[in-house]
Amino acid sequence: SAVISQKPSRDICQRGTSLTIQCQVDSQVTMMFWYRQQPGQSLTLIATANQGSEATYESGFVIDKFPISRPNLTFSTLTVSNMSPEDSSIYLCSVVSESWNEQFFGPGTRLTVL
Amino acid sequence: EDQVTQSPEALRLQEGESSSLNCSYTVSGLRGLFWYRQDPGKGPEFLFTLYSAGEEKEKERLKATLTKKESFLHITAPKPEDSATYLCAVQVTGGGNKLTFGTGTQLKVEL
Repeated sequence: SAVISQKPSRDICQRGTSLTIQCQVDSQVTMMFWYRQQPGQSLTLIATANQGSEATYESGFVIDKFPISRPNLTFSTLTVSNMSPEDSSIYLCSVVSESWNEQFFGPGTRLTVL
Repeated sequence: EDQVTQSPEALRLQEGESSSLNCSYTVSGLRGLFWYRQDPGKGPEFLFTLYSAGEEKEKERLKATLTKKESFLHITAPKPEDSATYLCAVQVTGGGNKLTFGTGTQLKVEL
C-alpha cells in the first residue's frame, strides 16, 4: 500500500488568510485526490489532481478558492484561500493503487479558522 | 443522484458480541464498494473493495458482503481495539475514481 504524508498535520488560521497543504506519496501515482471532512460529516471530494494537467473540480468547489498544484508524480498541494470559519475541516489527500482497486488516504490536515 | 446511507449511526457492543453494520446504496451503476476504518484524528484506513453481488471478503474479525442494494460489514467476536468509525463508499461507472461516502457507523466495543 502507498504511504502518504501530509503537512501540516494541523493549523489554526485567521479568517481572510490562506493555507497551503502538502501531500507526499512514497511512490509514483497517476491520480491524486483531495477530500474534505467537515465536523461530524463524511468525506467529500474536492478535486482530482493529475500531473501535467489542470485539476478537475467537483460541483461546489472552484479553483480560485482551492487552487491545486501537481508538479510531479509523488507530490501535490492544496491551498485553501481567503479562509472563513466555514472552511474549518479535515483535508485529506488520497491516491489509487496501481491495480486501481484500492484507494488510500493520508493522515489528514486539521484546519481551524478563527 | 448517487446516495450512500449507513446504519446504525452508532453502535455499542460488549466484547465478543457479534453484529453487522449496514451500507445501502442507490447508484446509476456500481463500479465498486469500499469499506474503511477511521480512528479519531486519523485518515481512513482501507479495508475492502467489493465489485459484484454475492462477493465476500474477510480480514481478521471483519467480513464484508455485497448485494445489489446494500453491503454488510460483519464483526465477529469484536474486541475493544475494533472501536472506530466504519465508512462505506461507492464508485460508480463513468465516475472515474471518485468515492461517494456514507456518514459512517461509530462503533464502540466495551470490555
